[in-house]
Amino acid sequence: QQQVKQSPQSLIVQKGGISIINCAYENTAFDYFPWYQQFPGKGPALLIAIRPDVSEKKEGRFTISFNKSAKQFSLHIMDSQPGDSATYFCAASIGGSARQLTFGSGTQLTVLP
Amino acid sequence: GAVVSQHPSRVICKSGTSVKIECRSLDFQATTMFWYRQFPKQSLMLMATSNEGSKATYEQGVEKDKFLINHASLTLSTLTVTSAHPEDSSFYICSALMVSTNEKLFFGSGTQLSVL
Repeated sequence: QQQVKQSPQSLIVQKGGISIINCAYENTAFDYFPWYQQFPGKGPALLIAIRPDVSEKKEGRFTISFNKSAKQFSLHIMDSQPGDSATYFCAASIGGSARQLTFGSGTQLTVLP
Repeated sequence: GAVVSQHPSRVICKSGTSVKIECRSLDFQATTMFWYRQFPKQSLMLMATSNEGSKATYEQGVEKDKFLINHASLTLSTLTVTSAHPEDSSFYICSALMVSTNEKLFFGSGTQLSVL
């Protein structure tokens, strides 16, 4: 019940395209859903996060869509750039907090020039 | 964003030796820090929660005598891998929890440990 399932495992997108990464969860107590971006040999960096009181949050080219009834949330990267090539992790936690995050399995995104 | 410094970034050691990894929050105080282990192309696995001034809380299956955690100040947590063996080779990442209006987690840049 603590699992967060992430797909796809890998994604290849042309420059300028839209990258979409999906996550699904079972535990309805989860109420904080961040996305992290990780470059090789580096630690993850917080990209954007959402709480279930909204269905969408946008920051620049990055948008989180949240579907509470379906227990799914997704990351959309608009106008994808080669510099966006990285591994993306979704995560979830309880109590609206960044503590005790349960991470998805990660998506390796490659944006072709 | 806030900065979490992790040192060293890479360490190679002989089997049987101990290795210490430091995690510092440079511009905020962190009463809580976390330690993770990450295998190639896999997700982060939480090893333990480090609380300033108290004993760390270890996740199930993590040997506390193997992975010693000390959080002696509000800006520093250390992970010591004792009597390291090749199977301990991994990428270790720390994170620090910033508590303000909303809690945010900031990660260190990771330590690649290779045990020969």
